[in-house]
Amino acid sequence: DAKTTQPTSMDCAEGRAANLPCNHSTISGNEYVYWYRQIHSQGPQYIIHGLKNNETNEMASLIITEDRKSSTLILPHATLRDTAVYYCIVRVAGYNQGGKLIFGQGTELSVKP
Amino acid sequence: GAVVSQHPSRVICKSGTSVKIECRSLDFQATTMFWYRQFPKQSLMLMATSNEGSKATYEQGVEKDKFLINHASLTLSTLTVTSAHPEDSSFYICSARVGVYNSPLHFGNGTRLTVT
Repeated sequence: DAKTTQPTSMDCAEGRAANLPCNHSTISGNEYVYWYRQIHSQGPQYIIHGLKNNETNEMASLIITEDRKSSTLILPHATLRDTAVYYCIVRVAGYNQGGKLIFGQGTELSVKP
Repeated sequence: GAVVSQHPSRVICKSGTSVKIECRSLDFQATTMFWYRQFPKQSLMLMATSNEGSKATYEQGVEKDKFLINHASLTLSTLTVTSAHPEDSSFYICSARVGVYNSPLHFGNGTRLTVT
């Protein structure tokens, strides 16, 4: 499994962009990067995923460096409800792995008024 | 969007009894589901991969005779914690894959198990 490294915690002011970094220097060419978040006492919520191109959806943008060794999740206008633990996951490749996700420790994002 | 439902959301049981947790995919068929466990202030730990119509695949260190998984249909997987002990108290979360193996996983809202 490619491991990921994320800062333990980050603060962000409400209304500002939240930029959450993730390092995945040992990622393989066919491994995707996924981002999930978990609000306290709930199941994780899917945010976005990508392989090598930048991706954007209604929740966030994902910027992947050209060498694919790191990525950044961007929440363009953070709100108090975005306070959560954010997980960057490099998915185990290969059909025989079933598509399982191995979670690291994540980044605890606190959005402050 | 894809919805995964877990039941019950909370359960309290006595030590030595068994508890069954259900995980349902409500608007899609899931040939593969995953069971995780999460202790307070820790990350999610994958316990097993549940495959419809076949035996589950357990992660290293997870006792398959203690955590029984059944995936009898394309919309239902169950996790039974047998002979539960206080150390089994945890947050159990299931997830299901929509589509091919690179598709996102969608998670249920978890089951808080307390063993007294």
